[in-house]
Amino acid sequence: IAGITQAPTSQILAAGRRMTLRCTQDMRHNAMYWYRQDLGLGLRLIHYSNTAGTTGKGEVPDGYSVSRANTDDFPLTLASAVPSQTSVYFCASSDSGGPKGGYTFGSGTRLTVV
Amino acid sequence: RKEVEQDPGPFNVPEGATVAFNCTYSNSASQSFFWYRQDCRKEPKLLMSVYSSGNEDGRFTAQLNRASQYISLLIRDSKLSDSATYLCVVNMGTGGFKTIFGAGTRLFVKA
Repeated sequence: IAGITQAPTSQILAAGRRMTLRCTQDMRHNAMYWYRQDLGLGLRLIHYSNTAGTTGKGEVPDGYSVSRANTDDFPLTLASAVPSQTSVYFCASSDSGGPKGGYTFGSGTRLTVV
Repeated sequence: RKEVEQDPGPFNVPEGATVAFNCTYSNSASQSFFWYRQDCRKEPKLLMSVYSSGNEDGRFTAQLNRASQYISLLIRDSKLSDSATYLCVVNMGTGGFKTIFGAGTRLFVKA
């Protein structure tokens, strides 16, 4: 793989179910991020991690959790999905705590909660 | 007021036209600025960084006006392949949690 891989690419999920969105990068970037993108709202940060072993809350963290056990993986978990979590989810990485060189994004996961 | 605001468009232009997008930001302490391009149902990709002195990359020119707190993107000689959504991105300090994405401006270039 080269860059960021997200899985699944799309999912229809029943409300109340638990789901983990996977994100793996092979660029050895320190910082990783999860965004959701909704029409007219732009990308909003859910959680971030500046380095392995640390995580932080973004703008819209409620209902989501993350972990960063190693440099490459940054899974996002929805503990009990609700319809308002229907969105496109993008994982991203950058090579420092600030995206001086810009972010690299994964191709996204389209999630529909019904 | 949104922290980063863009005209959502859409901008409909013929091939060969010059088109300009503006983006305003609210935090005067913002430190770095970018334009991203996003094709329909795809991930955003970095188009160019924006520097105080302005910068050019082929047909694309980006400008930053710190006094008025806006950045701009100029596309000359538009191509059909330029059709996309252009996202203005502002970073307010170190740490990705201080990066704010605009909602994007949609561009359609027509033959």
